[in-house]
Amino acid sequence: GAVVSQHPSRVICKSGTSVKIECRSLDFQATTMFWYRQFPKQSLMLMATSNEGSKATYEQGVEKDKFLINHASLTLSTLTVTSAHPEDSSFYICSASSGFRSTNEKLFFGSGTQLSVL
Amino acid sequence: KQEVTQIPAALSVPEGENLVLNCSFTDSAIYNLQWFRQDPGKGLTSLLLIQSSQREQTSGRLNASLDKSSGRSTLYIAASQPGDSATYLCAAMDSSYKLIFGSGTRLLVRP
Repeated sequence: GAVVSQHPSRVICKSGTSVKIECRSLDFQATTMFWYRQFPKQSLMLMATSNEGSKATYEQGVEKDKFLINHASLTLSTLTVTSAHPEDSSFYICSASSGFRSTNEKLFFGSGTQLSVL
Repeated sequence: KQEVTQIPAALSVPEGENLVLNCSFTDSAIYNLQWFRQDPGKGLTSLLLIQSSQREQTSGRLNASLDKSSGRSTLYIAASQPGDSATYLCAAMDSSYKLIFGSGTRLLVRP
């Protein structure tokens, strides 16, 4: 099956620093990638949708200047949490789609990144 | 706005028991309904996908049903094993191909 690699798996940083998370599709071209955030014992909340070569579309309430998304190639999307604060501590997960947009479409998920901001 | 709810939030059963996890959604205009497994601190593993035109899907000991008109889906796990312990998430794919997730059911299967 399709594989999505996400790095790093865990990061601890000081308040005010920026953190970059990478999401790579290893064996298929990901036209679209989704970024989710998950707080403890809560569901995944979609943050933004990124399409290769264009600007990301952010969900309501998500600050685009704080969560910078770059999808420069068909196999790589990055999420940068700028000037991280303790309230940004969360589990971030990416998922990738080949973009065929069928009703049978499966999304493939990365293994997630646990961000802890001190 | 689509809302997905899962009941119960947590479930503890002895090994060997059959169990049912419930998922409900408010907007029946979905493309599909998907069930995932999530282990602590890990990503998601896709279990089953039911298209909106289908009623159920089966994979091994897992069976998922979909009743779009009533906004409900169930995941049936037969002969549960300790290795089945995880959080199970359902998600509805809406008309913009976005997945809307429920908050999950944390399952513990006791040896």
